[in-house]
Amino acid sequence: GNSVTQMEGPVTLSEEAFLTINCTYTATGYPSLFWYVQYPGEGLQLLLKATKADDKGSNKGFEATYRKETTSFHLEKGSVQVSDSAVYFCALGKSGGYNKLIFGAGTRLAVHP
Amino acid sequence: GAVVSQHPSWVICKSGTSVKIECRSLDFQATTMFWYRQFPKQSLMLMATSNEGSKATYEQGVEKDKFLINHASLTLSTLTVTSAHPEDSSFYICSAPHGLAQETQYFGPGTRLLVL
Repeated sequence: GNSVTQMEGPVTLSEEAFLTINCTYTATGYPSLFWYVQYPGEGLQLLLKATKADDKGSNKGFEATYRKETTSFHLEKGSVQVSDSAVYFCALGKSGGYNKLIFGAGTRLAVHP
Repeated sequence: GAVVSQHPSWVICKSGTSVKIECRSLDFQATTMFWYRQFPKQSLMLMATSNEGSKATYEQGVEKDKFLINHASLTLSTLTVTSAHPEDSSFYICSAPHGLAQETQYFGPGTRLLVL
């Protein structure tokens, strides 16, 4: 069945450091891939998405590229800020329809000044 | 656009009582909404799919008689936790799909339930 695997956290970085959070998936067909972010005390917010192979999603300095050959969708940011501290969820959904999302376990990021 | 609200944001209740949580799509219509449960420091677990005008579809292991779902209109779904017990304490989150291909889920801010 479909599944999402994320790197375990927590990830602790200093401000302006480079961030990578790994995400790999197992799926049949051609799923859409998403990164959601959950700030402390808040609900999930869509950070970025990619709907087909080689698409790059980007938002707020974050990027992720849909790599079909490696079944990956790693999240990257060149220079993190303290305000990026949150939990990041990689998710998979069927393309072309509003089917259920399958979430990874989430990766907690803590950025220190 | 694409805002989903939940009410209440938090609730404390006594064991044995029922609690209703509302999920509204504020600026779009949603024939389908999803209800999730999130335990501390864990991922979201899909509980059920709420369908406007028909019965909800529950995930395996979720008691439909305990978690009653009613999709009353194109903008409102409710989750009622019946005869709540301390183990039902959790963070409940709803989502609704929106967009050209309906493939992006927009999440409510969540409702924290504490059962004493």
